[in-house]
Amino acid sequence: EPEVTQTPSHQVTQMGQEVILRCVPISNHLYFYWYRQILGQKVEFLVSFYNNEISEKSEIFDDQFSVERPDGSNFTLKIRSTKLEDSAMYFCASRRGTSGDNEQFFGPGTRLTVL
Amino acid sequence: GENVEQHPSTLSVQEGDSAVIKCTYSDSASNYFPWYKQELGKGPQLIIDIRSNVGEKKDQRIAVTLNKTAKHFSLHITETQPEDSAVYFCAASITGSARQLTFGSGTQLTVLP
Repeated sequence: EPEVTQTPSHQVTQMGQEVILRCVPISNHLYFYWYRQILGQKVEFLVSFYNNEISEKSEIFDDQFSVERPDGSNFTLKIRSTKLEDSAMYFCASRRGTSGDNEQFFGPGTRLTVL
Repeated sequence: GENVEQHPSTLSVQEGDSAVIKCTYSDSASNYFPWYKQELGKGPQLIIDIRSNVGEKKDQRIAVTLNKTAKHFSLHITETQPEDSAVYFCAASITGSARQLTFGSGTQLTVLP
């Protein structure tokens, strides 16, 4: 069964460093998402991406964040200068996007630890 | 924006008993309500969903009910089994092309053998 994959599973970085989190969505899906979950808190929406551009973003998704679909298969989240409060589990999700289709499929997540 | 509240945060039941998890939402424009199960070390997996034009949906031991007037929806698991133990999240989707999900805070369900 097709699934969303994410790499790495765990990323440790120093404050101020740039990190790139990678996701491979399900191949025939058209909508892509990033969510994050700070330990003990809710899963929060960051950004959605469709047709090679951002379609929605939350207040969390400030200028330090960017997303890209560089090669038609990968979907990346970049954090330019990490802060301690960026430590969280980051989930990628994808949705097929056909009429009436709402289901989002989630990857296993990347645990980001900022020291 | 949308706000989803979920209760309880933890729930322990004996194997074979039923479990009920409840959520409320704030935005009457929300029209899609999925429930996700998250096992340790994995991402959320959809277990059942309901649209706002339906009041109840059932899939084997799992059912979801929706009360649009009161803006609340519930997950019901009957004949619980130890493998049902996990964190369960409710979510709501605001209408719009992106359909991003707003999640509840999660319920840790433990089924005791």
